[in-house]
Amino acid sequence: DGGITQSPKYLFRKEGQNVTLSCEQNLNHDAMYWYRQDPGQGLRLIYYSQIVNDFQKGDIAEGYSVSREKKESFPLTVTSAQKNPTAFYLCASRPTGHPPSGANVLTFGAGSRLTVL
Amino acid sequence: AQSVTQLDSHVSVSEGTPVLLRCNYSSSYSPSLFWYVQHPNKGLQLLLKYTSAATLVKGINGFEAEFKKSETSFHLTKPSAHMSDAAEYFCVVSGNYGGSQGNLIFGKGTKLSVKP
Repeated sequence: DGGITQSPKYLFRKEGQNVTLSCEQNLNHDAMYWYRQDPGQGLRLIYYSQIVNDFQKGDIAEGYSVSREKKESFPLTVTSAQKNPTAFYLCASRPTGHPPSGANVLTFGAGSRLTVL
Repeated sequence: AQSVTQLDSHVSVSEGTPVLLRCNYSSSYSPSLFWYVQHPNKGLQLLLKYTSAATLVKGINGFEAEFKKSETSFHLTKPSAHMSDAAEYFCVVSGNYGGSQGNLIFGKGTKLSVKP
């Protein structure tokens, strides 16, 4: 079945450590997204990528980094510069379509919960 | 500019009674609108979407939503709540302007509780 796989599901980090969250999709989608979810705040966009080897900052990119070396993969690194990293992180993907359309549906992974000790 | 407002952060209903989750949007362009559902510690699942076809959209699990341009609303309804409907629901607006996918703007979510 096609879908998005996020790993690990739960991750604990000590202060000052970098951690990387994995996101892999087999949907052949061009666009991939990382969101952060905190209680009562909805989803906030961290980074997105519309094509391999290219990505753009979202609303809360500070303290995070990404790469997009392969179409299927969009890992997110939470760096020590992120002051409050404890959150639920969601990866999503979406087809670009020809022509591109805002009607294209986002497909989400199951999420990764990061806790800073 | 686009925005979306979910008018209630928490809605509580009894099993078997109707559900109404309210969403208002603002968009400079003809938008696409979506409702997603999220169960605890899970990803988001698409319930339904509006893309300028029929204004009454039917989704999964008996949910539907009506696009009302004059009221800039896209409220989610279900005639009879089930215990399994207890979850958080997100209204999302996306632009449809040419040459771009358009930004997706998420509401802050409405938590639905269903009492036995």
